[in-house]
Amino acid sequence: DQQVKQNSPSLSVQEGRISILNCDYTNSMFDYFLWYKKYPAEGPTFLISISSIKDKNEDGRFTVFLNKSAKHLSLHIVPSQPGDSAVYFCAAASFYGGGGSNYKLTFGKGTLLTVNP
Amino acid sequence: DTGVSQDPRHKITKRGQNVTFRCDPISEHNRLYWYRQTLGQGPEFLTYFQNEAQLEKSRLLSDRFSAERPKGSFSTLEIQRTEQGDSAMYLCARGTIEKEKLFFGSGTQLSVL
Repeated sequence: DQQVKQNSPSLSVQEGRISILNCDYTNSMFDYFLWYKKYPAEGPTFLISISSIKDKNEDGRFTVFLNKSAKHLSLHIVPSQPGDSAVYFCAAASFYGGGGSNYKLTFGKGTLLTVNP
Repeated sequence: DTGVSQDPRHKITKRGQNVTFRCDPISEHNRLYWYRQTLGQGPEFLTYFQNEAQLEKSRLLSDRFSAERPKGSFSTLEIQRTEQGDSAMYLCARGTIEKEKLFFGSGTQLSVL
């Protein structure tokens, strides 16, 4: 049972345009949502996160939107650059145990973004 | 630099052999995680340490897998009697002050022939 879903395996956009990557989740207990970027043969690199009490978080060219009622989040990259070409993973944090100090991330399968010059 | 070093970067082994991977996080945080990523999938949680205590293990971690974190610093992940299905990238991550955020190392790519 996949709790975090990225239904688009790939996305191709032109340099300078907007890239929109989507993610859906099923577990209403998730407290934080994160986006990671991954290049081949490297570990995932943290990009941006959002708390479940917010609906938007912005960092430079990257903006994450959260729609809790729809259990949906999206990452917007504006403007897209060729260096943004990578696999993007959506992840959700679930807390467990006493005091909420123990938690783990559940990842989607990723979306390969290609930004064409 | 994510503050997580993993060694080796690549490992090729024959089926049935044992392998051990090492993870060295900078010491600023006590939480350490192991994840596994196979082709076409996102990273999957394997296990979690707080200091030297292993607090959770995924059902993905069969009896052939064992992880340790002596003294709450570096960690090792051992796979005994490797199988071709163990071929994957094994990722180590450290916790941060922001509880939900993890920083990953570059991973160890395991190929079982």
